[in-house]
Amino acid sequence: AQTVTQSQPEMSVQEAETVTLSCTYDTSENNYYLFWYKQPPSRQMILVIRQEAYKQQNATENRFSVNFQKAAKSFSLKISDSQLGDTAMYFCAFMKQGGSEKLVFGKGTKLTVNP
Amino acid sequence: GAVVSQHPSRVICKSGTSVKIECRSLDFQATTMFWYRQFPKQSLMLMATSNEGSKATYEQGVEKDKFLINHASLTLSTLTVTSAHPEDSSFYICSAPPAGGAEDTQYFGPGTRLTVL
Repeated sequence: AQTVTQSQPEMSVQEAETVTLSCTYDTSENNYYLFWYKQPPSRQMILVIRQEAYKQQNATENRFSVNFQKAAKSFSLKISDSQLGDTAMYFCAFMKQGGSEKLVFGKGTKLTVNP
Repeated sequence: GAVVSQHPSRVICKSGTSVKIECRSLDFQATTMFWYRQFPKQSLMLMATSNEGSKATYEQGVEKDKFLINHASLTLSTLTVTSAHPEDSSFYICSAPPAGGAEDTQYFGPGTRLTVL
C-alpha cells in the first residue's frame, strides 16, 4: 500500500516571499504520478501541479515548482512570490499509473500567507 | 475545463434518516467515480470506488450496507448514507477521471456538507 506523509501541519510565510512544503511517500511502484492540490476555504480541490515519476525534470507552473527526488521518495512544493490568495490547505497526493486509479492523500499542510 | 457537480451542497437531517448525495460529470463521461470523506481539519479519505454498471469497491473499514453507492449512468453516481447518525456528519467529495482521457486527470466536485442532528 502507498502512503503519503506531510510533516508540516502548519506553515506561514510573508507575502512575496518563498515557501517550501514537504512531502514524502512510500511505494513499491515504479511508475506513478504525484500531485499537489490546494483546498481554499471554499473546500473546492484545485490541482496545483503534477509530476510523472518517469520524468526527471521537475514540473513547474508559474510560481509553483516541485523538487522531485525519486530515489529519496520526496516531492516538495516551492511557492515563489507568495500571494494572499495562496492561503489554503495543501495536500500532496499519489496515484499509481494505470488509468482510473485512486488518489492517496497526505494529511495536508495549512499555509497562511501574511500581508 | 471539465466540471463535476454535487447535489446538495449541504444537507441537515435527523438521526436515523437516509440521505442521498449526487455526483454528476457535466461535460464528460466517467466509468469510474471516487467518493471521499473529509472530517474537519483532516485529509480526504477514500471511501469507495464507484463503477458504472457494476458494484462499488469499498475501502477497508467502510460499511457497504451503510454507504450505498449506485453508478447507474456514465455521468451520475449517488452515495446514500443510510440510517445516518451524528458521527456520519462530514464533508463528502466526489472525483471523476474522464473516460478515455489522460489517466492522471481527475476532476473534483465542490463537496457536500452533511450534518446529522
